Amino acid sequence: DAKTTQPNSMESNEEEPVHLPCNHSTISGTDYIHWYRQLPSQGPEYVIHGLTSNVNNRMASLAIAEDRKSSTLILHRATLRDAAVYYCILRGTGGANSKLTFGKGITLSVRP
Amino acid sequence: SAVISQKPSRDICQRGTSLTIQCQVDSQVTMMFWYRQQPGQSLTLIATANQGSEATYESGFVIDKFPISRPNLTFSTLTVSNMSPEDSSIYLCSARWETQYFGPGTRLLVL
Repeated sequence: DAKTTQPNSMESNEEEPVHLPCNHSTISGTDYIHWYRQLPSQGPEYVIHGLTSNVNNRMASLAIAEDRKSSTLILHRATLRDAAVYYCILRGTGGANSKLTFGKGITLSVRP
Repeated sequence: SAVISQKPSRDICQRGTSLTIQCQVDSQVTMMFWYRQQPGQSLTLIATANQGSEATYESGFVIDKFPISRPNLTFSTLTVSNMSPEDSSIYLCSARWETQYFGPGTRLLVL
């Protein structure tokens, strides 16, 4: 399985942008980059995913490096509710490669 | 977004007993999954439960310990059998349409 590497934790201030990095140097050409987050005492929640191009949705933006070996999840204005564990996951398109395999994630703290 | 519900939301059980966790989704789906999240840890996939086929278990998980049913396209159960304190975890149901969604989890404490 292609692996991802994330820092253990990050702190941000409320209402400021947050950039959460993820390295995935062994990514294959068919792996999608997925981001999920897990708020305290809840199940994981889908945030965003992409293949090659940068992606935007109502929750966040995903910036993917040109060589696809790294990506950054961008929260444009952090709120206290964004405090969570964020998981960067590579998911292939078929069979065993299509499973979502969670790493340790990055714990985001948001200061008021 | 999809709605996934689980029952029970939490339980305290005695060692040696079994608990069946139910997972209901609000629209038909082929692919369902069961995960375990041990205290302070990340999620670990237990098995994939596709409707119409036997569940596929990940390394370290066996059917005798974690039997799974998938009777239709909106329902699945996971049984944790012959429980020990090491089985104390959160068990999460998940389902994949275009996007994969997760239930709220079942918090299990085994005494």
